[in-house]
Order: sequence, then C-alpha cells, then structure tokens
Amino acid sequence: DAGVTQSPTHLIKTRGQHVTLRCSPISGHKSVSWYQQVLGQGPQFIFQYYEKEERGRGNFPDRFSARQFPNYSSELNVNALLLGDSALYLCASSLAWGANPYEQYFGPGTRLTVT
Amino acid sequence: RKEVEQDPGPFNVPEGATVAFNCTYSNSASQSFFWYRQDCRKEPKLLMSVYSSGNEDGRFTAQLNRASQYISLLIRDSKLSDSATYLCVVTPIKAAGNKLTFGGGTRVLVKP
Repeated sequence: DAGVTQSPTHLIKTRGQHVTLRCSPISGHKSVSWYQQVLGQGPQFIFQYYEKEERGRGNFPDRFSARQFPNYSSELNVNALLLGDSALYLCASSLAWGANPYEQYFGPGTRLTVT
Repeated sequence: RKEVEQDPGPFNVPEGATVAFNCTYSNSASQSFFWYRQDCRKEPKLLMSVYSSGNEDGRFTAQLNRASQYISLLIRDSKLSDSATYLCVVTPIKAAGNKLTFGGGTRVLVKP
C-alpha cells in the first residue's frame, strides 16, 4: 500500500509569490494535518482537516490556508511568501479525528525555499 | 514560554556510551507523551511512547515525571545509527484532535 505522498518534493519561490502544496493521505484515511518545520526547530501545527472540514488551526497568519477534497487529499496554500516561510512542510494522515501518534503517518515533506 | 522545550545539543556521544536528555512541558493537562526520531532532511518517525511507570524498548528507556513536568529518553550502548534529532511530542486533551505539539529537538551525534 502506498504511504502518504506529498508533491512537489522541493520547490523554490520568490518573496511575494503564492505556493500550493499537495498531500495524498493513505487510502481510507479521512484526516490530514499540516505542519511547518523551520530548519533547526521542531514541526509546528498549521491545520487539521477531517471529513473535508477544518477541525484545528495553529498560530499562523491568514496567508496560510488549506482545504480537503472529496477524495480526502489536501492542499496547503501560502500567499505573499516571506523569507521566513522557507521550511519543510509535512503532511500527516490518519483514519479519524483524535488519532494518537501510532495512528498518524507522516509524508516525506515538501521543502520550500523562498528567495 | 514554549509549550515543549528541549536542549538542542548536540550531544556528542562515543559509540557504546549512554546518553540521556530531557524535555519539559508547560501544560499540566497534557495527555500523552512520545519520542520521535528525525534523520536529516527526513520526516519524523515515532520512536516510542512514554508511560508514567517508565518503559523500555531495547536500548531505549523513556520516563515521565508528571510532578515536575518533564520526560526523558536514555539510550544505552549507543550505535552510530542512533545519530539523529530526537523530538519530544506532547498531545493535548482529546478535543484538540490529532494535534501534536513538538519540542525543538535534541541532536545526538554518535562518534566512533
């Protein structure tokens, strides 16, 4: 079975641009969470979606938005990119809401560099 | 104050030695605790959970001290392959769903 997939694996953007990152959860999983990991820091929670609804939001500006599609895949959008948005963006997939870490699976991440 | 804090290290450890490090958390209502391992430029991977009574998984021992609000990880007989960043994770109350709160990580370098 395929694990969590994320695309693209790497990308480089310029300040002020917009970016869309994509995540496909494990087949049958209905919840997707997004995390940002800046170099040298731990991952920070951005959003959680379950059954296509936002169920949690971290302390990130409105430039960050996300959505979940009927097939449970998800997009993370970031507008007006800043240099500080350079990070590894991780997606975690789980069957349900309220899953413990043994039930959550991380994708390989998308490495975003903003110049 | 950060919700979860760790000594960033690096902890330089001779191969075969024992290394231990802690993680402190600020929310006394935190529900569950875990250690993750993250290799350079890879996603974090769950290493083990942490129970109040302490628990072992091979060469790894984890402990929780709720009174002092810290958890610890001890690695015995360190291997070169143990070189990684170890992330402490706290899960809040059930109502927060799947949210994981990560510490900043402790870097461990095992050297021959």
